[in-house]
Amino acid sequence: DARVTQTPRDKVTEMGQEVTMRCQPILGHNTVFWYRQTMMQGLELLAYFRNRAPLDDSGMPKDRFSAEMPDATLATLKIQPSEPRDSAVYFCASGRIGQGTVYEQYFGPGTRLTVT
Amino acid sequence: KNEVEQSPQNLTAQEGEFITINCSYSVGISALHWLQQHPGGGIVSLFMLSSGKKKHGRLIATINIQEKHSSLHITASHPRDSAVYICAAHAGGTSYGKLTFGQGTILTVHP
Repeated sequence: DARVTQTPRDKVTEMGQEVTMRCQPILGHNTVFWYRQTMMQGLELLAYFRNRAPLDDSGMPKDRFSAEMPDATLATLKIQPSEPRDSAVYFCASGRIGQGTVYEQYFGPGTRLTVT
Repeated sequence: KNEVEQSPQNLTAQEGEFITINCSYSVGISALHWLQQHPGGGIVSLFMLSSGKKKHGRLIATINIQEKHSSLHITASHPRDSAVYICAAHAGGTSYGKLTFGQGTILTVHP
């Protein structure tokens, strides 16, 4: 049963520290998404990649957030420096998407980030 | 105004009742997703549809492309259906694959 995995599941850190979240998409999926969920804003798209190339990162604060896919099995989301307002659950999702074809997105379990 | 609007925001029902959650969108889409999120849990995709109707067990999703409206129905609701239900519009065109989410509907089903 293929799943999207995320690490860590929970992270508590102090303001100013660097945070790195990792995601392993489902093998064969060509599109990877990073989402953030808060009580106030709900789910928001931060960035997404297709075939490892960044397509849209307009949802990310560029000065402190960065997203990369060093290879097809790993996507990373970094926050440096972290701030209390970054506290949220961060979800990774993957899917097979091509022009004219839409497939479901499969969500990972999320990383719950708390910045104190 | 949000691009994807859900109603109601909160819904309480008694076990066995028929439930409807509505979703309206103002953007052009290639498909619409219905997602389920249990408290403290992950997100599961229930349906993805671009036309007509889909059914899975007690859940039914419909979409009217002309009216830009979708509904999620739950027949014979059960306490285990208690969750947040989120609709998400799947963009087309150059933003192919990008999801825009509604705010979610919190459903509580009492025994």
